[in-house]
Amino acid sequence: DAGVIQSPRHEVTEMGQEVTLRCKPISGHNSLFWYRQTMMRGLELLIYFNNNVPIDDSGMPEDRFSAKMPNASFSTLKIQPSEPRDSAVYFCASSMGQGMAGELFFGEGSRLTVL
Amino acid sequence: AQSVTQLDSQVPVFEEAPVELRCNYSSSVSVYLFWYVQYPNQGLQLLLKYLSGSTLVKGINGFEAEFNKSQTSFHLRKPSVHISDTAEYFCAVSPNSGGYQKVTFGTGTKLQVIP
Repeated sequence: DAGVIQSPRHEVTEMGQEVTLRCKPISGHNSLFWYRQTMMRGLELLIYFNNNVPIDDSGMPEDRFSAKMPNASFSTLKIQPSEPRDSAVYFCASSMGQGMAGELFFGEGSRLTVL
Repeated sequence: AQSVTQLDSQVPVFEEAPVELRCNYSSSVSVYLFWYVQYPNQGLQLLLKYLSGSTLVKGINGFEAEFNKSQTSFHLRKPSVHISDTAEYFCAVSPNSGGYQKVTFGTGTKLQVIP
């Protein structure tokens, strides 16, 4: 079975440009998470969707960040405009169920570099 | 709110030697506990989880962890490590009440297995 699929794997852009990261969760999973990983701050939860509805977006850094989940098989994380401090690895994860007793399945991540 | 402390940021160990990676947590409610592993340039993958029952939990790749409620610890152990165990290991915790509960990750411990 295919795991969580993220694209692009690597993105290099210039400050001020728009960045869109994409995620396809595992079929049948109804929870989707976006995480950001940096050396300084570790792994941070940005936003959590359940049944395509955003449930917890308290981790979204600021208005430059937005996330959507138009259907059960696709989600995007957009940064506009991007800044150098947004450089990080962004992970998408999915799981079955709502509670965290379920296992999180992570994608391979999208490494973003903002120059 | 809960927190996770992984005191060791790096642990070097010789191949075939035993290893213990330490994890302590803080929470005002009962919790679920997890260990995830991240190989280079990959996403996180669940090693094992404690939900309830036996305090000794066995996971994949020969790893095990013991939940100690009185010491609020969930240390990860392996009796004999292999080169392929070189990776970063994350301890995580979430409240075990129903519904959506945010998971909190530790800062990670890099295990370096020396030939």
